[in-house]
Amino acid sequence: NAGVMQNPRHLVRRRGQEARLRCSPMKGHSHVYWYRQLPEEGLKFMVYLQKENIIDESGMPKERFSAEFPKEGPSILRIQQVVRGDSAAYFCASSPVWKETQYFGPGTRLLVL
Amino acid sequence: ELKVEQNPLFLSMQEGKNYTIYCNYSTTSDRLYWYRQDPGKSLESLFVLLSNGAVKQEGRLMASLDTKARLSTLHITAAVHDLSATYFCAVADSGGGADGLTFGKGTHLIIQP
Repeated sequence: NAGVMQNPRHLVRRRGQEARLRCSPMKGHSHVYWYRQLPEEGLKFMVYLQKENIIDESGMPKERFSAEFPKEGPSILRIQQVVRGDSAAYFCASSPVWKETQYFGPGTRLLVL
Repeated sequence: ELKVEQNPLFLSMQEGKNYTIYCNYSTTSDRLYWYRQDPGKSLESLFVLLSNGAVKQEGRLMASLDTKARLSTLHITAAVHDLSATYFCAVADSGGGADGLTFGKGTHLIIQP
């Protein structure tokens, strides 16, 4: 009964490169949320997706960031042309239905050099 | 915009003592969560509180919710070292705001032998 899976767990990129973060929700969960955590801060909501649909992207930066949750395969958070300020831990969470408890993955720690 | 404030942000206490962490939020909500995070790890769900007056207990931790005061508390009884972690409260906006959770900044709890 695997939990939420994220990969990679650690990712190092140079400024200007692209970062792709993957999230596989818990079995039976079709709702996925992405959050960003800066050092010594709480988590900040970025985007909420269901299969093939972006439901709420009110927390996503307007440029360089995008997310998808295709019919098959994991959800992907994509950051283009990364900058040092993108360095953070990115957590994915899933829930079986809307408004149910969100279960978090182990996170991807992105370091931009 | 929903705002969530926790206090204290840092707490050092001795084993065997009792203490309370407070979580205030600014707008109406129908769900409040408490999560625990160990350094470098993901978030573990502790409690979900859904209604005014709700109280939940697990071991030495007890959480309560007062929706009229927009206040939740996490009470620690007879603390032990294993409870050292960062505790977050997270609130769901029921007023048409973002679908993701809004987190407090977290309370860093250190319990000394």
